[in-house]
Amino acid sequence: EDQVTQSPEALRLQEGESSSLNCSYTVSGLRGLFWYRQDPGKGPEFLFTLYSAGEEKEKERLKATLTKKESFLHITAPKPEDSATYLCAVQVYNQGGKLIFGQGTELSVKP
Amino acid sequence: SAVISQKPSRDICQRGTSLTIQCQVDSQVTMMFWYRQQPGQSLTLIATANQGSEATYESGFVIDKFPISRPNLTFSTLTVSNMSPEDSSIYLCSVEGYLAGGGNNEQFFGPGTRLTVL
Repeated sequence: EDQVTQSPEALRLQEGESSSLNCSYTVSGLRGLFWYRQDPGKGPEFLFTLYSAGEEKEKERLKATLTKKESFLHITAPKPEDSATYLCAVQVYNQGGKLIFGQGTELSVKP
Repeated sequence: SAVISQKPSRDICQRGTSLTIQCQVDSQVTMMFWYRQQPGQSLTLIATANQGSEATYESGFVIDKFPISRPNLTFSTLTVSNMSPEDSSIYLCSVEGYLAGGGNNEQFFGPGTRLTVL
């Protein structure tokens, strides 16, 4: 069974304190791994798609990396506006575009 | 990326009634999806809606409960039928495809419809 597990469930950081969020996956054939940001009361906002092990993508203070078993979302010198829930999802071949989501990591950055 | 709107943004409904949620995209897209996000939970796919064909439902979701229409490449509706309090969730549509302005299989989400069933 295809599965996605995110850790930790919640993370509290001080402004400027860098850290990483983890997304472990077990799938039959990875088509892509997606990272989203979700603010309360809003739909997920697309951040990155990673397709193969070793791939990295960056956007402002965020950097996503991918191995054959997991992905990391590194947050460098976070600011309070980075506070949100970060969702990881996988897309598997022959499943018609379906995204399988992890439970998310709720990030809180205090000034 | 595509601009996606949903109507209504929220609603409070009585048990046993039905609600139709609309999803409108500002460009033509190949694939549209409907997800559910129950309180405190992550997203679960309900069905895939492709224009010109019947929707494909995931295990645990049936057409009688969640009928879907996809009349053209920019619009879809999801109906939640004969509602019960367990249907209280956020319902989200998403779109995928090169025409949506992303990569080949990137998905973009609408703002969601927050449904409360009393």
